[in-house]
Amino acid sequence: QKEVEQNSGPLSVPEGAIASLNCTYSDRGSQSFFWYRQYSGKSPELIMSIYSNGDKEDGRFTAQLNKASQYVSLLIRDSQPSDSATYLCAVKGWAGKSTFGDGTTLTVKP
Amino acid sequence: DVKVTQSSRYLVKRTGEKVFLECVQDMDHENMFWYRQDPGLGLRLIYFSYDVKMKEKGDIPEGYSVSREKKERFSLILESASTNQTSMYLCASSFPDRGNTEAFFGQGTRLTVV
Repeated sequence: QKEVEQNSGPLSVPEGAIASLNCTYSDRGSQSFFWYRQYSGKSPELIMSIYSNGDKEDGRFTAQLNKASQYVSLLIRDSQPSDSATYLCAVKGWAGKSTFGDGTTLTVKP
Repeated sequence: DVKVTQSSRYLVKRTGEKVFLECVQDMDHENMFWYRQDPGLGLRLIYFSYDVKMKEKGDIPEGYSVSREKKERFSLILESASTNQTSMYLCASSFPDRGNTEAFFGQGTRLTVV
């Protein structure tokens, strides 16, 4: 079992729809969770971080964390073509080392 | 503006060459990381460092070594480049706590070994 698993995708949604990206992790001691967006040929950039159970909203993005279920998700509301990218889930554990999922590729169709 | 800078955007090297990839950060981060990214395999950790002259193996250290002589600089060394080391290499840095600070990435080095 991988330490961090994401729904494999690719995921395609129409413009204006909600995109839902999911991630599970194996280390129950993990405390920090991050979502990165990576455009093709570019390096990852942080878009959301979450540390406590529940929801965290930032503009069109909402991160959800459930530590009991070892599950973290990212919702993108009113999806735009510019949101088309690969989304990486990262879990930060021992001594600051982050483990990444393989990513989910999202395509938003106009 | 925080910055992690990798020395080269693209590199082409021959099999058997010794290759140096350099990374410099200006955020006074203690932690620095080297990842490689391949299609379908995600980001895989090669080596990381918590402090000057300190290093730890990641998930795929074979064929690589690292050097950290100064806090701001972390070098990845391919001792004898092979074609299976053709990849995108990403450097990142972060603060050392287990809490709420994320990793910042460099722009990446796309290495081709021929």
